Amino acid sequence: GQQLNQSPQSMFIQEGEDVSMNCTSSSIFNTWLWYKQDPGEGPVLLIALYKAGELTSNGRLTAQFGITRKDSFLNISASIPSDVGIYFCAGIPTSGTYKYIFGTGTRLKVLA
Amino acid sequence: EAGVTQSPTHLIKTRGQQATLRCSPISGHTSVYWYQQALGLGLQFLLWYDEGEERNRGNFPPRFSGRQFPNYSSELNVNALELEDSALYLCASSLRGTPDSYEQYFGPGTRLTVT
Repeated sequence: GQQLNQSPQSMFIQEGEDVSMNCTSSSIFNTWLWYKQDPGEGPVLLIALYKAGELTSNGRLTAQFGITRKDSFLNISASIPSDVGIYFCAGIPTSGTYKYIFGTGTRLKVLA
Repeated sequence: EAGVTQSPTHLIKTRGQQATLRCSPISGHTSVYWYQQALGLGLQFLLWYDEGEERNRGNFPPRFSGRQFPNYSSELNVNALELEDSALYLCASSLRGTPDSYEQYFGPGTRLTVT
C-alpha cells in the first residue's frame, strides 16, 4: 500500500533535548495528522493541520503543514521519558478519495 | 466520553478459519475505519464505512470484508485466514460533515494471530 516517507526511522535522544521529525510525499495533501502510538495500543491523535503553512502547538509539541503541501514537520521540545513511542504522520491526498495514508513511523527513545 | 472500543483484545485462529473483529465508535461518530498493522510496520488502510455503507477499501483481497450496523458499530471479517494476516487490527472513528471531521480516533486494537 501507499505510504508517506517519514524520517528519521528511529532516534535516541537525551532527556531534555528537542526532537524534530518530518514526513514527505510526492503528492499534495489537504490535511496532515500526527499520532503517537505506545506499544500494544492504538495511535493517539496529537495534532491536526488543515492549511498550508499552518503552525499548531499542543503543549511541548509543535507541528507545521509545509508550504508546498507535500510535507509536514513535528517538533517536541524538552523531551521527557514518556515521549517514548512511535510517531506517525497521516495525510489525506487531494484526490478526494477520503483515504488516509500513513507514514512509516519514527521510533523515539529517550535516555534519562 | 468513552473512546473507541474493540473486541476481542486478542484472537488466535488457525490457517483457513474465519475471524470476526468488532468495533464501537465514539458516540456521535458515524464513520468507522479499519486498518491492518503488521508487526513493526505502519498502518495499512483496509475499509471505510459511513452511514452503514462501504465508502472505500484499500488494496486487500475480497476475503477481507465487513459491515456497519445501524448503531454505527462495525464488524471486520477475514475469511480463509493466512499466516500473513497476523497483525494488529485497528479501528478508528470520526465525525462526518464537520470541519474537524478528518480527525480519526483509534481504538486499542485486536491482535490477531494465525497459526
